[in-house]
Amino acid sequence: SQTIHQWPATLVQPVGSPLSLECTVEGTSNPNLYWYRQAAGRGLQLLFYSVGIGQISSEVPQNLSASRPQDRQFILSSKKLLLSDSGFYLCAWSVRSTGELFFGEGSRLTVL
Amino acid sequence: GQQLNQSPQSMFIQEGEDVSMNCTSSSIFNTWLWYKQDPGEGPVLLIALYKAGELTSNGRLTAQFGITRKDSFLNISASIPSDVGIYFCAGRSGSGNTGKLIFGQGTTLQVKP
Repeated sequence: SQTIHQWPATLVQPVGSPLSLECTVEGTSNPNLYWYRQAAGRGLQLLFYSVGIGQISSEVPQNLSASRPQDRQFILSSKKLLLSDSGFYLCAWSVRSTGELFFGEGSRLTVL
Repeated sequence: GQQLNQSPQSMFIQEGEDVSMNCTSSSIFNTWLWYKQDPGEGPVLLIALYKAGELTSNGRLTAQFGITRKDSFLNISASIPSDVGIYFCAGRSGSGNTGKLIFGQGTTLQVKP
């Protein structure tokens, strides 16, 4: 069966420091991968999605970037964090035939 | 652009009561998905709907794909304390993976024992 795992689960970082959140998917090949951000336990904002290795689409301009160095690995990064980058970040993958989306456990980022 | 209106925004009910929430779209969708999110965790897929008029159950949960393809509802029967969480609807205008998946703003459910 397919599984998705992201880490770290919790991160507290100072303003101006770099960020790296990692996500891996097991049990499927060539998945579509996504990074979402959720603020204050409410709506889900799509940040990036990828349909293949090295292919990244950005949904909103921001201080973050994404990379997909391997088929089942998706990384969210920042060179210098801002206070406004705090939030709950979710990685997800989707089934190509049905479009069903499956989320990871989430990473709570607090920028101080 | 496409918009999804999810209501109600929050609900506070007594254990044992039935719950109903719905989502309406400004455009036609081909897929409706319903998720539940527990505090501090990622959303979990509850029910997926692919056909107008489709009615699908998952235990005490029942969801329907509206005939107009612009709405969907989720019902929870005989609520229990572990039903507490945020419920999200999501819709996609394309088939399979095509088209963006649009999320509602969520319905926060609280259940009083």
